[in-house]
Amino acid sequence: AQKITQTQPGMFVQEKEAVTLDCTYDTSDPSYGLFWYKQPSSGEMIFLIYQGSYDQQNATEGRYSLNFQKARKSANLVISASQLGDSAMYFCAMREDPIQGAQKLVFGQGTRLTINP
Amino acid sequence: KAGVTQTPRYLIKTRGQQVTLSCSPISGHRSVSWYQQTPGQGLQFLFEYFSETQRNKGNFPGRFSGRQFSNSRSEMNVSTLELGDSALYLCASSTGVGSGANVLTFGAGSRLTVL
Repeated sequence: AQKITQTQPGMFVQEKEAVTLDCTYDTSDPSYGLFWYKQPSSGEMIFLIYQGSYDQQNATEGRYSLNFQKARKSANLVISASQLGDSAMYFCAMREDPIQGAQKLVFGQGTRLTINP
Repeated sequence: KAGVTQTPRYLIKTRGQQVTLSCSPISGHRSVSWYQQTPGQGLQFLFEYFSETQRNKGNFPGRFSGRQFSNSRSEMNVSTLELGDSALYLCASSTGVGSGANVLTFGAGSRLTVL
């Protein structure tokens, strides 16, 4: 069974500091994808970054990077130079790929990030 | 291009009633997935439709059903509503083909309150 664990229910960070949000996963499938989404108070889920299980390099998207440690089954999100607008819930999710294109994400419980001015 | 559109955004129902939620995916996307988000259970996968066929199904009772039309628009229906069905229902669309990043784009959600 798939499982995503986010151990930090809440984090408080000073503006402009870097922040790392933890995510560990459990799967027996060799092919999978890992996603991070941001959910502001408005409710909409916003895609941030993706890492495939066979990707050799850590994914980066602007201020977001993913610290992928396959052997440890961890996929931590790093946000550099945090901004007030980064305050939101952050979800780590995993998709196993037994059927190409099939979409079924398993989400962690989320981390509520608060950026203080 | 237009994003994923969910209607209605908010609705209030009473126990025993039924509800239908609608989702219009991004143009060209053939996969539509539905998720339920509650404070207690978090985000849970309901089902996925691709080219009018249910391709994946989560662990929800038969009161939860869905369908997809030829234009890829999808509806989900919940019959005999229970208090525990109060949740934010999120719809997401993607191309539904290939592997890799094939990112899900979510709508703003439909917030259902059951009284």
